[in-house]
Amino acid sequence: GAVVSQHPSWVICKSGTSVKIECRSLDFQATTMFWYRQFPKQSLMLMATSNEGSKATYEQGVEKDKFLINHASLTLSTLTVTSAHPEDSSFYICSGQGLYEQYFGPGTRLTVT
Amino acid sequence: SQQGEEDPQALSIQEGENATMNCSYKTSINNLQWYRQNSGRGLVHLILIRSNEREKHSGRLRVTLDTSKKSSSLLITASRAADTASYFCATDLNNTDKLIFGTGTRLQVFP
Repeated sequence: GAVVSQHPSWVICKSGTSVKIECRSLDFQATTMFWYRQFPKQSLMLMATSNEGSKATYEQGVEKDKFLINHASLTLSTLTVTSAHPEDSSFYICSGQGLYEQYFGPGTRLTVT
Repeated sequence: SQQGEEDPQALSIQEGENATMNCSYKTSINNLQWYRQNSGRGLVHLILIRSNEREKHSGRLRVTLDTSKKSSSLLITASRAADTASYFCATDLNNTDKLIFGTGTRLQVFP
């Protein structure tokens, strides 16, 4: 299957700072990428859909000014958590839409202290 | 919430036994997929079943789909300790590429 990478795999930041997470499709072009958040022992919740060259669309309840998404190329989408707070601590997973299915990255664990 | 539900939430079995997980969803779908997630890791795609299919096999995995009941089941036969993971079903949303994940089943297989 196609490969999606995420960087960093884990990050610790102080409350009030911003953190950027990168999602790359390594061997395919992903016009559409998705960002999910997963709290411990819970399921994945879709946060937003990232479309190359256009604004992301956010799911209900997700603050677009807090979670900035940029999809500047067919292989890279970034999620920036701005003014992070401890409640933003979570596992963030991205995926790239392939021809028939989504290919998921390995996730980024964010801890805000 | 449009999130699907899975049961059981947790399942513990011995190696060699079969494990069955069930998924119920709320909207009409084009397909349903099952994923595995090892603790703290990303998702591994297991199998996709289309809405016009009733059963599908892949190795030790057997998936059924009943669109009239909006439900699916995943059967893992002859389980192994390496099957220990969380398993999620996911459905497409309103003919989009978006996926809605079920609540998940945590499977523990004891050697």
